[in-house]
Amino acid sequence: TQLLEQSPQFLSIQEGENLTVYCNSSSVFSSLQWYRQEPGEGPVLLVTVVTGGEVKKLKRLTFQFGDARKDSSLHITAAQPGDTGLYLCVRHPRGGADGLTFGKGTHLIIQP
Amino acid sequence: EAGVTQFPSHSVIEKGQTVTLRCDPISGHDNLYWYRRVMGKEIKFLLHFVKESKQDESGMPNNRFLAERTGGTYSTLKVQPAELEDSGVYFCASSFATGVYEQYFGPGTRLTVT
Repeated sequence: TQLLEQSPQFLSIQEGENLTVYCNSSSVFSSLQWYRQEPGEGPVLLVTVVTGGEVKKLKRLTFQFGDARKDSSLHITAAQPGDTGLYLCVRHPRGGADGLTFGKGTHLIIQP
Repeated sequence: EAGVTQFPSHSVIEKGQTVTLRCDPISGHDNLYWYRRVMGKEIKFLLHFVKESKQDESGMPNNRFLAERTGGTYSTLKVQPAELEDSGVYFCASSFATGVYEQYFGPGTRLTVT
């Protein structure tokens, strides 16, 4: 059972365009993180959201946590080739177990 | 400050052989995690050490996998005997504390079992 559904799985757009990728779950998140992974490297944390309805901005990236804390979106404005990578939605566990739960990710390619 | 390092970066072994993966966490990080991504699937949690103790090993697939962290510093993950379905990328991560703290990931070890 896939706990975290990410869409789209693949997205290829031209430099300068805007895009949004989504993460959905049937369960409530205690907290949610977005990571980015580049080829040959491990995932790198971009942001953590905790409060329903929370919006966080990281330069051209805007992260939103759904009011019910079951979904999240990542919007990129004026995408650059450096934004290319695998974007992973990650559920942070509640309580003592601290293993992260990952979605399959969105493969994003920004063409110059 | 050095990040999380993993060795080797790639390993190709035959079915039935043994392989040992190594992870060196960030200095001072008591928490160490192992994860695995099998082709076409999401990254999955394997286990979590706090210092030298196994805090949670609920993700370990079976008893062919043995993780150790003697002395609470580096960790090894041994697969014996390896099977074809063990192929994938094995990631190690470390964090300063548990809770909503950032986990820093290593570059991974790509294991291919033929």
